[in-house]
Amino acid sequence: GQQVQQSPASLVLQEGENAELQCNFSTSLNSMQWFYQRPGGSLVSLFYNPSGTKHSGRLTSTTVIKERRSSLHISSSQTTDSGTYLCALPLNNNAGAKLTFGGGTRLTVRP
Amino acid sequence: EAAVTQSPRNKVAVTGGKVTLSCNQTNNHNNMYWYRQDTGHGLRLIHYSYGAGSTEKGDIPDGYKASRPSQENFSLILELATPSQTSVYFCASGEGGQSGNTLYFGEGSRLIVV
Repeated sequence: GQQVQQSPASLVLQEGENAELQCNFSTSLNSMQWFYQRPGGSLVSLFYNPSGTKHSGRLTSTTVIKERRSSLHISSSQTTDSGTYLCALPLNNNAGAKLTFGGGTRLTVRP
Repeated sequence: EAAVTQSPRNKVAVTGGKVTLSCNQTNNHNNMYWYRQDTGHGLRLIHYSYGAGSTEKGDIPDGYKASRPSQENFSLILELATPSQTSVYFCASGEGGQSGNTLYFGEGSRLIVV
């Protein structure tokens, strides 16, 4: 089965609404990362969050290693938040070099 | 800010032809990667490298070769391109180490094999 699973696969919001994106994984390695991919574009790192909670502006990432899950919370969404959000982590003990990505959550924020 | 530059950005190739995708990074990162991204499959790792002279097979290496002649450059080579290799290819670099291997991605190379 898929070792890094993200949900939901897609999400549509009205501007100003909050979003909660989930990532579940099959390993206990603590090197979870979140990326943002703008439509048709490259990926940008949002968080390196191996455990606990981290904040960056309207974004909050929470990783609970024991439960093998991580979440990305977007508050007061804006149309510019539209795009795909990907989580990734190493699935083997390879010095964190080989990241495996989830399938992503495609977010659309409508004005 | 790490800079990862890919070329070409767009390429149309004929079946059976040779294609070379190039990647250059200016942040002196040890690790470099080639991923492909397809609808329904997400990002999949093709080859990666720990430094100049090293190449490692990723999850889907068949039909691809890689070359890392220097710290800055990492190439992906399709000796005999096939239509199934039509995809968007991303290069990335990272510092390495289990303490946090944040990846920096290039803008992508869109390859169409006809």
